[in-house]
Amino acid sequence: AQRVTQPEKLLSVFKGAPVELKCNYSYSGSPELFWYVQYSRQRLQLLLRHISRESIKGFTADLNKGETSFHLKKPFAQEEDSAMYYCALKADSNYQLIWGAGTKLIIKP
Amino acid sequence: GAVVSQHPSWVICKSGTSVKIECRSLDFQATTMFWYRQFPKQSLMLMATSNEGSKATYEQGVEKDKFLINHASLTLSTLTVTSAHPEDSSFYICSARDLRKNTGELFFGEGSRLTVL
Repeated sequence: AQRVTQPEKLLSVFKGAPVELKCNYSYSGSPELFWYVQYSRQRLQLLLRHISRESIKGFTADLNKGETSFHLKKPFAQEEDSAMYYCALKADSNYQLIWGAGTKLIIKP
Repeated sequence: GAVVSQHPSWVICKSGTSVKIECRSLDFQATTMFWYRQFPKQSLMLMATSNEGSKATYEQGVEKDKFLINHASLTLSTLTVTSAHPEDSSFYICSARDLRKNTGELFFGEGSRLTVL
């Protein structure tokens, strides 16, 4: 079954501390994974995708097929990083996404 | 970038009435749009996939007669909540992908908050 698991509903860290938001997936094919972010009172937007192997706003995520994970990391958290983060898996050619439950990240000053 | 707009952003209605929510892709064409429901402090729940020129595909457990979806053009999909009841109160979000891009990225509307009294 196709599934995306984000085990942490809430993650709270101090400003300047490293951040890791966990995401594990279950998919029989070759996965395409994304991280979306929703800042307060704003729409969901793409943060990064594993295919492009990019770093956005200091965040990176590496696809680990052995561990079926796509954890989101940032070495030094900033207050503006506080938001809801969703991990998503592209399920088929229709671009339907399978969503994780989301992790609320709070950066304490 | 591609922009998706929803209207209204906020609507209050009486129980038993119907409410229509529009989702427009402003600067691109979208043959496929997705409708989600988001409960407070919960993840997105895909309700249906809206296909331009054909019937929508509903997820299991979503009543198609309750949530009518019409995708009449390449830039507009509508969700009509028929005979709304308080339990239909929720945040409804649509998304679409830009056919010009082959990135898998979905562009989201700002959401529509429905409150049924």
